Amino acid sequence: DAGVTQSPTHLIKTRGQQVTLRCSPKSGHDTVSWYQQALGQGPQFIFQYYEEEERQRGNFPDRFSGHQFPNYSSELNVNALLLGDSALYLCASSRRARGSNQPQHFGDGTRLSIL
Amino acid sequence: DAKTTQPNSMESNEEEPVHLPCNHSTISGTDYIHWYRQLPSQGPEYVIHGLTSNVNNRMASLAIAEDRKSSTLILHRATLRDAAVYYCILRDVPNNDMRFGAGTRLTVKP
Repeated sequence: DAGVTQSPTHLIKTRGQQVTLRCSPKSGHDTVSWYQQALGQGPQFIFQYYEEEERQRGNFPDRFSGHQFPNYSSELNVNALLLGDSALYLCASSRRARGSNQPQHFGDGTRLSIL
Repeated sequence: DAKTTQPNSMESNEEEPVHLPCNHSTISGTDYIHWYRQLPSQGPEYVIHGLTSNVNNRMASLAIAEDRKSSTLILHRATLRDAAVYYCILRDVPNNDMRFGAGTRLTVKP
């Protein structure tokens, strides 16, 4: 049973560019959350998708956007990249129908470096 | 959001018990206490969660104070593989997101 998978594992971009990160949730999960983790800090919540809609959002600018597909996979898009966007981007999935306290399962992240 | 306070770092010897504290004095009645850990170069991993009563699972135990303003994650016999950053998180029932703090970095010495 595959867990949460993210691609790519590493990515290098330059300032002003745009990037798309991808996530496949754990089998049986329908909710996907995205987090940004700067070096030495805890993950910060970006947003969450359920039924192909953004349901909750953290304190991130609208340069950060996402999408969820009918198969529950998800993409995170970041436009106009800044040096401060360099971080590990984590995807987490859960099964919403069983209640909001279900544990979230995390992927190992995409390391994004901005030059 | 209710916040948690954890020590920045702790050390333990291998095969000894470890008690990781967390203070959450502003916890509300509907907040669950969740613990996750993050091993080097990996995403966070669920450890345990509880509301009012102490909880046990194969990984750890969670002891919750009677007033719920603090809790302790207990690893009964630390191994080298338990070296990680441990996060204590309060999670409100209606919300599905999680707000992480800086966590406690646990070092396990052989």
